[in-house]
Amino acid sequence: DTGVSQDPRHKITKRGQNVTFRCDPISEHNRLYWYRQTLGQGPEFLTYFQNEAQLEKSRLLSDRFSAERPKGSFSTLEIQRTEQGDSAMYLCASSPYQGHTIYFGEGSWLTVV
Amino acid sequence: AQTVTQSQPEMSVQEAETVTLSCTYDTSESNYYLFWYKQPPSRQMILVIRQEAYKQQNATENRFSVNFQKAAKSFSLKISDSQLGDTAMYFCAFMGTQGGSEKLVFGKGMKLTVNP
Repeated sequence: DTGVSQDPRHKITKRGQNVTFRCDPISEHNRLYWYRQTLGQGPEFLTYFQNEAQLEKSRLLSDRFSAERPKGSFSTLEIQRTEQGDSAMYLCASSPYQGHTIYFGEGSWLTVV
Repeated sequence: AQTVTQSQPEMSVQEAETVTLSCTYDTSESNYYLFWYKQPPSRQMILVIRQEAYKQQNATENRFSVNFQKAAKSFSLKISDSQLGDTAMYFCAFMGTQGGSEKLVFGKGMKLTVNP
């Protein structure tokens, strides 16, 4: 049983560029979450999917951020026109429906220079 | 809105000793879940232990146990026989059951160092 996988693990980009992260959840987990974690802080919720439906978005998710989960399998998180404040680790997690336990991937580190 | 507070930013302990990490939370819900996650340096967030609020019995997982005080909204983690591999950031997290998303709300974390 493979865990949650994320790609790329590290990304350095110039301010103003677009970046996209991919997440593959644990198979058969129909819930998928994106969190953001900055240094010295706990993860903060960004958005959540149940199957292919995006059911909740945090107000942290500005209109430069978009997430998709086509066909209810993998998910992508795109950040347009990156800013230095976007530098963080982006964590993906998944859980089975009403499983009450969330499993995290290793995260994707973003550095905006 | 739910909040989770970890008031100790950092602790250190000698190998084989016992250490307790504290966590308090605030919620108006009566049914919820509490978690401790471990995040080693530059590594993945790993679930350590889970507590269901409607269960009075404290959860245990090998060397890890919790002291869940629902009325006080307190949820501490006890690590017995500390090992060097326990060195990590530890995050307390809350999961409500209203609203359907079951998203986690995290504390700021506590850095634990186990010394040889």
